[in-house]
Amino acid sequence: DIQMTQFPSSLSASGGDRVTITCRASQRISRFLSWYQQKPGKAPKLLISSTSMLESGVPSRLSGSGSGTEFTLTIDGLQSEDFATYFCQQSHSVPFSFGGGTRVDFK
Amino acid sequence: QVQLQQSGPGLVKPSQTLSLTCGVSGDSVSSDIATWSWIRQSPSRGLEWLGRTFYRTKWYNDSAESLIGRITFNADTSKNQFSLHLKSVTPEDTAIYYCAREIGRRSGTVFDYWGQGVLVTVSS
Repeated sequence: DIQMTQFPSSLSASGGDRVTITCRASQRISRFLSWYQQKPGKAPKLLISSTSMLESGVPSRLSGSGSGTEFTLTIDGLQSEDFATYFCQQSHSVPFSFGGGTRVDFK
Repeated sequence: QVQLQQSGPGLVKPSQTLSLTCGVSGDSVSSDIATWSWIRQSPSRGLEWLGRTFYRTKWYNDSAESLIGRITFNADTSKNQFSLHLKSVTPEDTAIYYCAREIGRRSGTVFDYWGQGVLVTVSS
C-alpha cells in the first residue's frame, strides 16, 4: 500500500502570505495526485487533480506541482477563505490513500 | 449537478452491523465511467478509503485489505443508490462516513462529489 506523508501538519499564516504544503508518497505515483480542502463540519472539496490541474472555480492563487514521490500545493496570496485543512490523495493504485492533512490557520 | 445524500443510523452497538446508504442524483450508479466509494474520517485514522462499487458490464467491488471479510457493498439501480455494510463493529469504527463519486482525470481519478457525511458512533 502507498503511504502519503504530508507536512507540516499545521501552519499559521497571515492574509497575503505565500504558503507551501508538501506531500510525499512512499513510492512513485507519477502525477496521480490530488488536493482537497476541508472546512469544519464539511466534506472535503476537490481543488486540484493530476498534480497541477485546477478544478473549475478554484482560484489561480492555488497551484500544484511535483511528480514521482514529492508534490507541493502552493497558495500565493492567502485569502480569508483559504484558512482550512488541506489533504493530498494518491490515485495511482488501490487502496487509495490520503495524507494526514495540513491545517492552515490565522497567525 | 451531481448530489449525494447519505442516510443511516448515527449510533451502532458493538458487534452489530453498520449500514449506510448513499442516494445519487445527477448521475447513475450504473455509470460506466464513475465508481462509488466510501471514505471515513476519524482523529486517529485520518481520511481512510474503505472501498468502492462500480459497474462495467457487471458489478465489481474493491475494498481496503484490512476490512476484507467485514465489509460489503451493493447498489440498487431502481433507487439509484449504493450502500455500505460493515459488520462486527467496534469502537474503533467510530468515524464520520462519507460516500463519494470517483471519476477519471488526465492522470488518475478524483473524488469530485461527496455526501454530507454521517457521524457513526459505535457504543453500547
